[in-house]
Amino acid sequence: AQTVTQSQPEMSVQEAETVTLSCTYDTSENNYYLFWYKQPPSRQMILVIRQEAYKQQNATENRFSVNFQKAAKSFSLKISDSQLGDTAMYFCAFSGSGGSNYKLTFGKGTLLTVNP
Amino acid sequence: ETGVTQTPRHLVMGMTNKKSLKCEQHLGHNAMYWYKQSAKKPLELMFVYNFKEQTENNSVPSRFSPECPNSSHLFLHLHTLQPEDSALYLCASKRTSGDPDTQYFGPGTRLTVL
Repeated sequence: AQTVTQSQPEMSVQEAETVTLSCTYDTSENNYYLFWYKQPPSRQMILVIRQEAYKQQNATENRFSVNFQKAAKSFSLKISDSQLGDTAMYFCAFSGSGGSNYKLTFGKGTLLTVNP
Repeated sequence: ETGVTQTPRHLVMGMTNKKSLKCEQHLGHNAMYWYKQSAKKPLELMFVYNFKEQTENNSVPSRFSPECPNSSHLFLHLHTLQPEDSALYLCASKRTSGDPDTQYFGPGTRLTVL
């Protein structure tokens, strides 16, 4: 079974600075997908960024980028120029084929607070 | 925001009550999911439906009964719940369960069982 570990329950960063959230996972599959989801306080969970394991290039979405290390099974999220609106719970998630279903396995989350 | 709506947003019920949670997606997706989100625990997948057929039941107690009448609607019927069932219940959808697509989540129903 796949597992996803987020070792930082809480983090804080000053506005405009850069922060990196850690995620490691365990799987025996070779083809899979990794996601970072963001859940702001009392708001819907939304996708931040997604990475296909077969792609060596790290995914980037504006201020959000990942450092995907397949051999180390590591998938960290870097947020540049942090903004107050980035304050949220961030979940790392893994999706493998698992038969006919691509199910998501989530980590416990990291609560990020951006301070003014 | 994401095309997935859930009602009610908040629900308080006694252990002997029967209630239902509703999820609706307006994205043209065919796969729908129920998750349970408890404090300090990872999201737990409960059920998966693909083209109205249940394809996954993650050992969920029978006091939770899902229903998927069509690809746009998903219900979770609740009866004789326990206080430990208090949690945020999230619905999600994606194109089909057999593709590695992004899941889109609803805002959740905050359930409190007294």
